[in-house]
Amino acid sequence: DAGITQSPRHKVTETGTPVTLRCHQTENHRYMYWYRQDPGHGLRLIHYSYGVKDTDKGEVSDGYSVSRSKTEDFLLTLESATSSQTSVYFCAISEQGVQNTEAFFGQGTRLTVV
Amino acid sequence: GESVGLHLPTLSVQEGDNSIINCAYSNSASDYFIWYKQESGKGPQFIIDIRSNMDKRQGQRVTVLLNKTVKHLSLQIAATQPGDSAVYFCAENRGRGYSTLTFGKGTMLLVSP
Repeated sequence: DAGITQSPRHKVTETGTPVTLRCHQTENHRYMYWYRQDPGHGLRLIHYSYGVKDTDKGEVSDGYSVSRSKTEDFLLTLESATSSQTSVYFCAISEQGVQNTEAFFGQGTRLTVV
Repeated sequence: GESVGLHLPTLSVQEGDNSIINCAYSNSASDYFIWYKQESGKGPQFIIDIRSNMDKRQGQRVTVLLNKTVKHLSLQIAATQPGDSAVYFCAENRGRGYSTLTFGKGTMLLVSP
């Protein structure tokens, strides 16, 4: 999986609690992405990063924040989890950005908010 | 949990047949396209890509065709095998200034022995 590790792989949490998902890469790629995948919606972009401390919003960013303090780590935080955030979350990386090179995906994190 | 495969259009083929999976895109400025394969419980896996200055690209057992006039992309899989059973997504980069991919909703391919 192109040197991408997501943690945890599964998590169950209660409504209103904060949750942080981690994506770690060993490829030294510049771009990192967080997507969520839901039945009937496919993959939708939450946030992405184009370098250390450089991030931008995707199409479904409400309720999520991200941080990238090192090239290899991209964190996704749900400040106060809601049931609508129950989903499978995928991290992806791209060497030069998806204008030029493909994105490679991690194995996913299944998050359930109860 | 509910499978990502629910609610998706499904293509059912016999082993050995050729499969064609279609994708329509909406943005005429999109200039880079990728097909991904996703098996159950795994992340999407890169299959093949194509840039807008091409109309056809071939890989191993796969061919991608791009018709910019009607904004249509297709993935052809030759001699389909049971291991090809998965959900297939097309993704597009919407052109200069965009650093992200926009995904289609996917097609499930079921291959019977």
